[in-house]
Formats: sequence, C-alpha cells, structure tokens
Amino acid sequence: EVQLVESGGGLVQPGGSLRLSCAVSGFTVSSNYMSWVRQAPGKGLEWVSVIYSGGSTHYADSVKGRFTISRDNSKNTLFLQMNSLRAEDTAVYYCARDRAVTTWNYFDYWGQGTLVTVSS
Amino acid sequence: DIQMTQSPSSLSASVGDRVTITCRASQSISNYLNWYQQKPGKAPKLLIYAASSLQSGVPSRFSGSGSGTDFTLTISSLQPEDFATYYCQQSYNTPRTFGQGTKVEIK
Repeated sequence: EVQLVESGGGLVQPGGSLRLSCAVSGFTVSSNYMSWVRQAPGKGLEWVSVIYSGGSTHYADSVKGRFTISRDNSKNTLFLQMNSLRAEDTAVYYCARDRAVTTWNYFDYWGQGTLVTVSS
Repeated sequence: DIQMTQSPSSLSASVGDRVTITCRASQSISNYLNWYQQKPGKAPKLLIYAASSLQSGVPSRFSGSGSGTDFTLTISSLQPEDFATYYCQQSYNTPRTFGQGTKVEIK
C-alpha cells in the first residue's frame, strides 16, 4: 500500500524557518518525480516545487531562493526546507508523487497535508 | 506562466444531474491537462489525466475531454459523494498551474 506521511508543520514567526518531511512507503522516492503543493486557508491549490528522479529541481517564483526541496534516499523521505517565511506562506503543504508516464505528468498519490502557520 | 481558468466557480446541482465544468488554458497545452477532486479537509484525488484518461478506481460517470486550450470535466449522473471542489491542472510545463476550483454543491 502506498502511503505518504507529512510532518514538521507548525506555528513559526515571520522570517523564521521550518523543515517539512514526507515519509513515503510503497514506492521509491528517488525513482520518481516528487512535488510539494500548498493550499492557503480557504484558497485553491498552488504548486511549490519538484525534484526530478535525476535530482534536478524547480520552484515556483513565489518561493524561489527561500525554499529548498531535497530527499534522503536511505530513508525514502522527501523534504522541504523553508526559510525567510512570510505570512503568505501560511498553508497546508502536501507532498505528492508527480507521476511521469511518457510525456504526461500527474499527481497520483498525495499525503494528508501538514499545516504551516506564519504569524507573530 | 500558463493561466488556468475554470467556470463556473461554483454550481448547485441535484443527485442524478449531468454536470459539466470547463477549464481554459491561456495558451495551447495539447492534452496535458489533469482533473482532481477535493473534499473538505482532505487531500486532492486524481480523477482524469491526459485530458481524457480515467485514473484507476475512478467511477466511469466521470469523463474528460478537450485539447488545445479548452477542456471539460463531465459527471454523467451526480452522486451524493461527488459534492466537492474540482480543480484542473496543466502539466504542459513548469510551473504546473491549477485552476481556481469549481465547488459543486447540493441543490
């Protein structure tokens, strides 16, 4: 059975840092594309970042230079290091498998989400 | 960035109704379009990928169509468990962008 379990969310002050984790079972993180997607309270979905199986990464402009996506292959875990946090980063953060089939990509497995609140 | 615009933003429908949701891309994305369903407090669930391919385990009352810039998600006969918010998402390029969502409510 596939499971993605996020952790690490919480309340942080503006300018602070937080590291989110996504522990995966049922498939190998390093063999797949993996993304973070967030959802601000009452709002829609926003893609944040992707790490490809080869290790290269991409970020949304809104987080570029502040967030870093990475993975630990030995632990089959995905991470999102978030620095210089702003109030507008407040959201539920989901990790998702970014399935690549020939030229098509889609998010087929999702975690349950972890809430990050940036407030003083 | 490619902008995705859904319509309507919300709709009210009854059980058994046929429901259609539209998604328009700001440029041609061929068939690189996915649809998700999200219920309150839950993660999104993939329904349709590559514009018209039904994800495994998703009921056949859901269907998708379209290519280029205009796409539709159709629910042929709305069921009680289908009341939710639906999102389209383009995978033509990065950043992968979502529509703003369409909330399907009980009439």
